[in-house]
Amino acid sequence: DSGVTQTPKHLITATGQRVTLRCSPRSGDLSVYWYQQSLDQGLQFLIHYYNGEERAKGNILERFSAQQFPDLHSELNLSSLELGDSALYFCASSVAGAYNEQFFGPGTRLTVL
Amino acid sequence: AQSVSQHNHHVILSEAASLELGCNYSYGGTVNLFWYVQYPGQHLQLLLKYFSGDPLVKGIKGFEAEFIKSKFSFNLRKPSVQWSDTAEYFCAVKDQAGTALIFGKGTTLSVSS
Repeated sequence: DSGVTQTPKHLITATGQRVTLRCSPRSGDLSVYWYQQSLDQGLQFLIHYYNGEERAKGNILERFSAQQFPDLHSELNLSSLELGDSALYFCASSVAGAYNEQFFGPGTRLTVL
Repeated sequence: AQSVSQHNHHVILSEAASLELGCNYSYGGTVNLFWYVQYPGQHLQLLLKYFSGDPLVKGIKGFEAEFIKSKFSFNLRKPSVQWSDTAEYFCAVKDQAGTALIFGKGTTLSVSS
């Protein structure tokens, strides 16, 4: 158990819908990262938040957005879902600073039908 | 853009065999390198990391990796694998901003007893 929790574990929805994935970082970690793992693209960085502020963006679609709340949990919002959005979405957290290990959550498996 | 390539997509070994998984990265500057493992149904866990110093890094569960700057490589090794090492292995490098992890496509290791 890494100490990072993600809900839900599985999500099945239809094209065009909107979903919200939730992540709670390890106690004391200020940074939250979101990654997408798909068969064709592998593991890709989406976005990084630090203490409530967006710090970096990766290959995140405009249909996707995220935020980090005052209690440091984070939500990833995916809208206008397409079949290709089906993937495993991981959240990771780390303490402040660039040289610290990222601890990964168990992931949310999203299936878009 | 930085990239990571893992040479082997799927490796099949018998117990007690030696393991070496290849990893090459593209960036020529200062690099922070990682190997993560994902056991079936579990989250990504850090095996080992290299930031600086001794290029031979020892990690958990008997794994080690050697950073060879001239070859842009960070290969993972284990002298004698066990059935419990069956998992997917990911090599990663921190991006130039020191924020996100850039992952290779992963290598699936299957160990037969």
